[in-house]
Amino acid sequence: AQSVTQLGSHVSVSEGALVLLRCNYSSSVPPYLFWYVQYPNQGLQLLLKYTSAATLVKGINGFEAEFKKSETSFHLTKPSAHMSDAAEYFCAVSGYSGNTPLVFGKGTRLSVIA
Amino acid sequence: GAGVSQSPSNKVTEKGKDVELRCDPISGHTALYWYRQRLGQGLEFLIYFQGNSAPDKSGLPSDRFSAERTGESVSTLTIQRTQQEDSAVYLCASSLDRGAYGYTFGSGTRLTVV
Repeated sequence: AQSVTQLGSHVSVSEGALVLLRCNYSSSVPPYLFWYVQYPNQGLQLLLKYTSAATLVKGINGFEAEFKKSETSFHLTKPSAHMSDAAEYFCAVSGYSGNTPLVFGKGTRLSVIA
Repeated sequence: GAGVSQSPSNKVTEKGKDVELRCDPISGHTALYWYRQRLGQGLEFLIYFQGNSAPDKSGLPSDRFSAERTGESVSTLTIQRTQQEDSAVYLCASSLDRGAYGYTFGSGTRLTVV
């Protein structure tokens, strides 16, 4: 079974500051890990994914995430926040090869202050 | 189609009525998923289709909920005798095979039971 914990339901950063959204996972098998972004009144858009290749994964809009097996973490970062990054971010985990439906965290709402 | 299409985008229904929500996946995507997102919550898995069979329907909350899929095409999620706690955004996603490389989500159907 898999589960995801996102620390912090709401994160607020200043424009230009570092963005760090935390995700810890639990999985009984090697995981596939994903970050999705949801803008208001829209569906979810895939930001990036880890599927057992490079541990540092680069995604769209300047975001990246690092898979750390020893810490069971997959935190999302961006060096410099932009106003357009304000959205809800979801971390998700699937069993190896994607044989099980994605299990999502509860989400973290990112606010960017001018 | 180019993306996952869901209809209607908004639905207001009276308590006790039945509703049908439709999902039209990306052409060629064999896997289709339904999730529910309650206000301020993460995504709750409902059911998953591979082709027109449902290997995992463990997330359906009660026997009032059912879903079907025609071939590798349109899926319908039906909620009978709706209750106020059914109010949520219902999201559909599709993927190639089992989705090891991520899902493509529709914009969702916002269901309000009054």
